[in-house]
Amino acid sequence: DVKVTQSSRYLVKRTGEKVFLECVQDMDHENMFWYRQDPGLGLRLIYFSYDVKMKEKGDIPEGYSVSREKKERFSLILESASTNQTSMYLCASREGAYNEQFFGPGTRLTVL
Amino acid sequence: KQEVTQIPAALSVPEGENLVLNCSFTDSAIYNLQWFRQDPGKGLTSLLLIQSSQREQTSGRLNASLDKSSGRSTLYIAASQPGDSATYLCAVGPNSKLTFGKGITLSVRP
Repeated sequence: DVKVTQSSRYLVKRTGEKVFLECVQDMDHENMFWYRQDPGLGLRLIYFSYDVKMKEKGDIPEGYSVSREKKERFSLILESASTNQTSMYLCASREGAYNEQFFGPGTRLTVL
Repeated sequence: KQEVTQIPAALSVPEGENLVLNCSFTDSAIYNLQWFRQDPGKGLTSLLLIQSSQREQTSGRLNASLDKSSGRSTLYIAASQPGDSATYLCAVGPNSKLTFGKGITLSVRP
C-alpha cells in the first residue's frame, strides 16, 4: 500500500514564526503536491513538484515556499506565518497523470 | 479553466438506500477522473480512478461511471451504511494536476 506521511497532525504557531511542514511518500512517486483546504473554498493547490529539485507554483503560492531535495520528501515552508494561513494542509503524491493520487493524513495548522 | 461541480453539497439518506452522487466538469479534455472519500479532520482516501477511455470502475459496493463527452461522472453506492457517512470528492486532470470539486457531504441515518 502507498503511504504518505506528514510530520504533524496538529501544529500551533505564532504570527511571524517560520514553519516547516514535512511530507514523505514511500512509493518512489515522481509527483508531489501541497494543498490547503478551507471550509467553502475546497482544496487549493499551493505548490507541486514533478522531480527532485523541480517545483511549480500552484494556484495560491504567495507566502509559501517548498523544497524537494530527495525524491521521497517534499517540504512546505511558511517563511513568516500569518493568521490567514491557519488551515488544513494536505500533502499528496502520484506517479504520473494516469495514476492514482494518494494523500497524507493532513496537518491542522493554527497560527495565533 | 477546468471547473468541477458537485451538487448537492449535502445529502441525508436512510440506511440501506442505493444512492448516486454526481460530478460535472466543464472541459472534457481529461486524462482521468478520481473519486475520493474524506472523513472529518482526515486526509482524502482514494476510492476509484477511471481513465478517460473507460466507462466505469467498480470496487465492492461502489461503482463510478464516466461520460466524458457530457462532462459527467456518477458514484453509485449500493445498500448504504452509516459507515459510508463522509464527504465524497471528485477530481479531474488534464495532466498530473487535479482540479477538485468541493465535495458532497453524505449522512446515512441508521
